[in-house]
Amino acid sequence: SQQGEEDPQALSIQEGENATMNCSYKTSINNLQWYRQNSGRGLVHLILIRSNEREKHSGRLRVTLDTSKKSSSLLITASRAADTASYFCATVFNNNDMRFGAGTRLTVKP
Amino acid sequence: DGGITQSPKYLFRKEGQNVTLSCEQNLNHDAMYWYRQDPGQGLRLIYYSQIVNDFQKGDIAEGYSVSREKKESFPLTVTSAQKNPTAFYLCASSILAGQFDYGYTFGSGTRLTVV
Repeated sequence: SQQGEEDPQALSIQEGENATMNCSYKTSINNLQWYRQNSGRGLVHLILIRSNEREKHSGRLRVTLDTSKKSSSLLITASRAADTASYFCATVFNNNDMRFGAGTRLTVKP
Repeated sequence: DGGITQSPKYLFRKEGQNVTLSCEQNLNHDAMYWYRQDPGQGLRLIYYSQIVNDFQKGDIAEGYSVSREKKESFPLTVTSAQKNPTAFYLCASSILAGQFDYGYTFGSGTRLTVV
C-alpha cells in the first residue's frame, strides 16, 4: 500500500503535555500533509512539508520529515483539551496521488 | 465566506434505493474529490474530478457514480449496486488540479445509513 501509517493509533495525555504522532510511508513522496478531524466532522488542513524540507512550524505545531527513514512526526506542544481529535497524515506521491493513513486518535485530559 | 457545503448531514437509504449526496464549493477550486470513511479508518478515494465534465475513478468507485456539470458542484450518487454503503462521506476540493502544494478543503460530511 502507498498510504502512510500513523503511530500510535491512540494517544492519551494530560493538558499541558506534548503530543507526538508519527507517520511512516513506503515510497518516495512529493510532500506530506497533516490534517485534523474532530469527531463527526470534516478534515482541516494543518500543515504541509515538502520533500526537500526537514522541519516546519505553525503555532504550537512542529512537523519533521526524514526522507531517508520515510517518516514524519507531528508534535503538538502545550496541549489543550480542545486539541482532542484524530490526526491524519496524507502522503503525496510523484504521480500526484494523495493517500491518507488511518489516523491517530488524540485525547487530551483537562 | 468561502467553503464547501455538503448536504444532507444525515441520510438514510432503504435497500435497493439510489441516493445522491450534494457537494457545492464557492472557492473557485478546479479539483473536487469524494472520500469514504469507515469507523476507525482512514479515507478512501471514490472519485475525483479535475475539470468540468471530466472525472476519474478512485480506489473504490464500484457502486458509485458522479457528475461534474458545473465547476462548483460535484454530486455523488450511491447506487443500489453498492452493497455496504453505510459510512461517512467527505467531499473535498483543491486549488488547481494536480497541484498538491496546497492542502485540501473539506466539507463537514454526510453520514449515510442503510435502514
